[in-house]
Amino acid sequence: QQQVKQSPQSLIVQKGGISIINCAYENTAFDYFPWYQQFPGKGPALLIAIRPDVSEKKEGRFTISFNKSAKQFSLHIMDSQPGDSATYFCAASAQTGFQKLVFGTGTRLLVSP
Amino acid sequence: DTAVSQTPKYLVTQMGNDKSIKCEQNLGHDTMYWYKQDSKKFLKIMFSYNNKELIINETVPNRFSPKSPDKAHLNLHINSLELGDSAVYFCASSQEAYRSYNEQFFGPGTRLTVL
Repeated sequence: QQQVKQSPQSLIVQKGGISIINCAYENTAFDYFPWYQQFPGKGPALLIAIRPDVSEKKEGRFTISFNKSAKQFSLHIMDSQPGDSATYFCAASAQTGFQKLVFGTGTRLLVSP
Repeated sequence: DTAVSQTPKYLVTQMGNDKSIKCEQNLGHDTMYWYKQDSKKFLKIMFSYNNKELIINETVPNRFSPKSPDKAHLNLHINSLELGDSAVYFCASSQEAYRSYNEQFFGPGTRLTVL
């Protein structure tokens, strides 16, 4: 059972365009929603994260939009650059017991020059 | 300085062999993790240790045995390797285990290929 569903599987965006990746979750106990960025041959690295007390968080060109009632959150990359080409993972964890990140299936983003 | 390091980076071995992967973090974190990333890039937690104590043990074959000699090190030993064990294994660490919103820092990964 996939607790965090991510779409699309792959995405091609032109340089300067907006990249949008969507995630949906089922477990209402989730209270932390990070996005990780992974370049080929590297480990994932935290990009940006949100907690459900806010509906949006922005860091530079990266924005998370969060809809608690719909149990959905999304990553928007404004002015996408070729250097943003990577695989993006959404994730979630619950405030019960120990932190256990549940990852989405990943989105491979290619930003064409 | 590398925050989370793993050795080896690549591991190619025959079915049935036993192999180990080592992980070290120099961040002073209390919690360490092992993840498996399969060929479809799906990332799944296997184990977590907090201050050398096993706290998360997902449904992983008992051929996989983690060991934490101290809180800066977490090793993964795999017995009787099978073809399906081929994957990239990531070590990660976080400051502590008890908050849902800790950032996890990942190592560079170990690509295991079982022939």
